[in-house]
Amino acid sequence: ETGVTQTPRHLVMGMTNKKSLKCEQHLGHNAMYWYKQSAKKPLELMFVYNFKEQTENNSVPSRFSPECPNSSHLFLHLHTLQPEDSALYLCASSQEDQLAVYNEQFFGPGTRLTVL
Amino acid sequence: DQQVKQNSPSLSVQEGRISILNCDYTNSMFDYFLWYKKYPAEGPTFLISISSIKDKNEDGRFTVFLNKSAKHLSLHIVPSQPGDSAVYFCALHRSARQLTFGSGTQLTVLP
Repeated sequence: ETGVTQTPRHLVMGMTNKKSLKCEQHLGHNAMYWYKQSAKKPLELMFVYNFKEQTENNSVPSRFSPECPNSSHLFLHLHTLQPEDSALYLCASSQEDQLAVYNEQFFGPGTRLTVL
Repeated sequence: DQQVKQNSPSLSVQEGRISILNCDYTNSMFDYFLWYKKYPAEGPTFLISISSIKDKNEDGRFTVFLNKSAKHLSLHIVPSQPGDSAVYFCALHRSARQLTFGSGTQLTVLP
């Protein structure tokens, strides 16, 4: 596997289900991100992990729970979601360099989530 | 209120012609400006960027222009090729980990 992988690619769940999205990066990066893209809307940053520590949480509802056990893996645990949470969930990674103006983010293919 | 706007959800261009994609922003604190390209069933991939201290950056067929006074960013693709058909997102950078994205423009290059 190369780059950033995400599983599953598609997920349909009921509002009472509990499911998890998985992301793995094979690039040796130290920062990982979850983004949400709803239809016709911009990508919205949800969470950022740097060296396994959560550094950003952009006012995401508690029904989304991230987990970063190591710098290569990132999970998004889902429970009691709403139909409006249906979206494309994208994972990204980057190598943080404090001296760089910008650290390029590399994206996975996304998980298309449908909440019934 | 959206800080970054791509007002054209779609654009169709004939092969060989120029494609111009536009992006407007409201916050003058952004310091780096990027374009990402996304094919169906794939994640966005980085295309080209420009620092806030420059007004133009060119890479092959792709040129990004930045007009800070107008808070306007554009991507020019010339000549356009059918393989360029994709969704293009502008993404504006304000800190080490924050990217603010536009909603994207679907470019279709007609053969």
